[in-house]
Amino acid sequence: QQQVKQSPQSLIVQKGGISIINCAYENTAFDYFPWYQQFPGKGPALLIAIRPDVSEKKEGRFTISFNKSAKQFSLHIMDSQPGDSATYFCAASRPGTASKLTFGTGTRLQVTL
Amino acid sequence: EPEVTQTPSHQVTQMGQEVILRCVPISNHLYFYWYRQILGQKVEFLVSFYNNEISEKSEIFDDQFSVERPDGSNFTLKIRSTKLEDSAMYFCASSRDLPPTEAFFGQGTRLTVV
Repeated sequence: QQQVKQSPQSLIVQKGGISIINCAYENTAFDYFPWYQQFPGKGPALLIAIRPDVSEKKEGRFTISFNKSAKQFSLHIMDSQPGDSATYFCAASRPGTASKLTFGTGTRLQVTL
Repeated sequence: EPEVTQTPSHQVTQMGQEVILRCVPISNHLYFYWYRQILGQKVEFLVSFYNNEISEKSEIFDDQFSVERPDGSNFTLKIRSTKLEDSAMYFCASSRDLPPTEAFFGQGTRLTVV
């Protein structure tokens, strides 16, 4: 019940295209859903995050869509760029758990020219 | 820009030895964490630390592991009697407050047990 399932495992998108990564969770107690971006040899860095009281959050080219009833959330990267090539992790945490993040399995995104 | 720093970046140790991984969290942060990432797998929570004590730990964090904040700046993870399966990237993270504030991750320490 603590798992966060992420798909696809890998994704190849052409420059300028839309990258979409999906996550699903089971634990309805989760109330914080961040997305992390990780470049090789680096630690995960927060990209964007959402709480379940909103259905969408947009920051620049990055948008989180959240479907509370389906217990799903997704990351959309508009106008994908080669510099976006990285591994993306969705995550979730429960209230009062001091950032004990449960991570998804990761999606390796490659944006081609 | 403030950042979480970890040392060493790579540690090789023999099976059965003890290792200490070091972290300097961001100075005004109050919550500290260790995560690990086995090569090619997801990032897994190990332990969270607040007010000089463990606030939560995962099933991975057994008696082999311990954490300490020996002074006002360092946060350490000690792994006793290392095993081959302890080989992983270990990330330290810190946050100023509970979620939804951001958890900042260090660049990681790659531990290789041979």
